[in-house]
Amino acid sequence: KNQVEQSPQSLIILEGKNCTLQCNYTVSPFSNLRWYKQDTGRGPVSLTIMTFSENTKSNGRYTATLDADTKQSSLHITASQLSDSASYICVVSASRGNTPLVFGKGTRLSVIA
Amino acid sequence: GAVVSQHPSRVICKSGTSVKIECRSLDFQATTMFWYRQFPKQSLMLMATSNEGSKATYEQGVEKDKFLINHASLTLSTLTVTSAHPEDSSFYICSARDLASEKNYGYTFGSGTRLTVV
Repeated sequence: KNQVEQSPQSLIILEGKNCTLQCNYTVSPFSNLRWYKQDTGRGPVSLTIMTFSENTKSNGRYTATLDADTKQSSLHITASQLSDSASYICVVSASRGNTPLVFGKGTRLSVIA
Repeated sequence: GAVVSQHPSRVICKSGTSVKIECRSLDFQATTMFWYRQFPKQSLMLMATSNEGSKATYEQGVEKDKFLINHASLTLSTLTVTSAHPEDSSFYICSARDLASEKNYGYTFGSGTRLTVV
């Protein structure tokens, strides 16, 4: 069964600190993995997209890694800001076609002053 | 980049009435759009896949007669919640993919619609 598991479920960190969110998946055959940021009451916004051959990708203070062998990904946030408070969702696609995406349940990050 | 506009952002309706939600791809054509539903603190759940010019494909457990989907053009899909009930209150999100964009694996999401049925 195609599944995406994220950890931790929630996280509270102080402003300015770094954090790392984890994503494990069992989706096969693997096409690509995406990290989205979803603010409360808003639609998800893409942070990074990685294919099988990509190990790391950065977008500003966000850096995603992918280990296709172990089927694990991480999202590292550097020098967190209050505006980083949101849910971070890991999404895996099984193929390049229009097949349904497999969503993780997300990690709810709270950055406090 | 690809932009998906969803309207309205919030709607409150009475039980028994119908509500239409629009999803537009603003700068690309989308032969396929997706409709999701999200409950508080839960992940997005795919409701249906909307195909331009043909019938939508509904996920198991989603009533096609209750959630009417129309994808009449390459830039517009609509979701109509018919005879809404309080249990239909949720956050509805659409997404689309710009297949014409080179090496674009990204799905772009709309900003969502908060439906409250009273």
